[in-house]
Amino acid sequence: QLQLVESGGGVVQPGRSLRLSCAASGFIFSNYVMHWVRQAPGKGLEWVALISYDGSNKYYADSLQGRFTISRDNSKTTVHLQMNSLRVEDTALYFCAREAKVGTTGDGFDIWGQGTRVTVS
Amino acid sequence: QSVLTQPPSVSAAPGQKVTISCSGTSSNIGNNFVSWYQQLPGTAPKLLIYDNSKRPSGIPDRFSGSKSGTSATLGVTGLQTGDEADYYCGTWDNSLSAVVFGGGTKLTVL
Repeated sequence: QLQLVESGGGVVQPGRSLRLSCAASGFIFSNYVMHWVRQAPGKGLEWVALISYDGSNKYYADSLQGRFTISRDNSKTTVHLQMNSLRVEDTALYFCAREAKVGTTGDGFDIWGQGTRVTVS
Repeated sequence: QSVLTQPPSVSAAPGQKVTISCSGTSSNIGNNFVSWYQQLPGTAPKLLIYDNSKRPSGIPDRFSGSKSGTSATLGVTGLQTGDEADYYCGTWDNSLSAVVFGGGTKLTVL
């Protein structure tokens, strides 16, 4: 069964750090680009970051201003999002998602986790 | 302000057809594939369309996608009350080196 399960969310004070994790199962994790997408309460989807299949390439939303770092461990089929210097505006439900096609970027996300909630207050 | 522009809301009666537009530029829609997502209340987004017009396995053919120039369109026919959801378009932006989404469109089935 294709599955992504996020964890690590919680309530944190402004300026502190948090590390999110996303555990994948049911597919060859090391073949796929992985993404983080967030959704603030009552708002739309906002793409956060992506990491290539082997971790060699990473891209981030400009709005993050270098505060977040994406990483992956293919041996543990897990992708992480290290969030530093958190701000109130980072409050959101954070989803991890799988790129639909091997070898592409941004062409569609076919598997989504249920999300993990981050509240900065 | 989203990079891709969608109407905030659309509505139609059950059984009717509705279209949702997604407007961009040559740096995003004009030169990349577009995908569409359905987000039912309280759930994660679900991929409806990828590569402009392809449907993943299990997505009914009531949902269709098309692209022309720097705009894309999602079509939904035979509307059902269960189609009430938020719909988002997305693509890669070459100038930003980022994935961009539309602001979302709320579909109401009257």
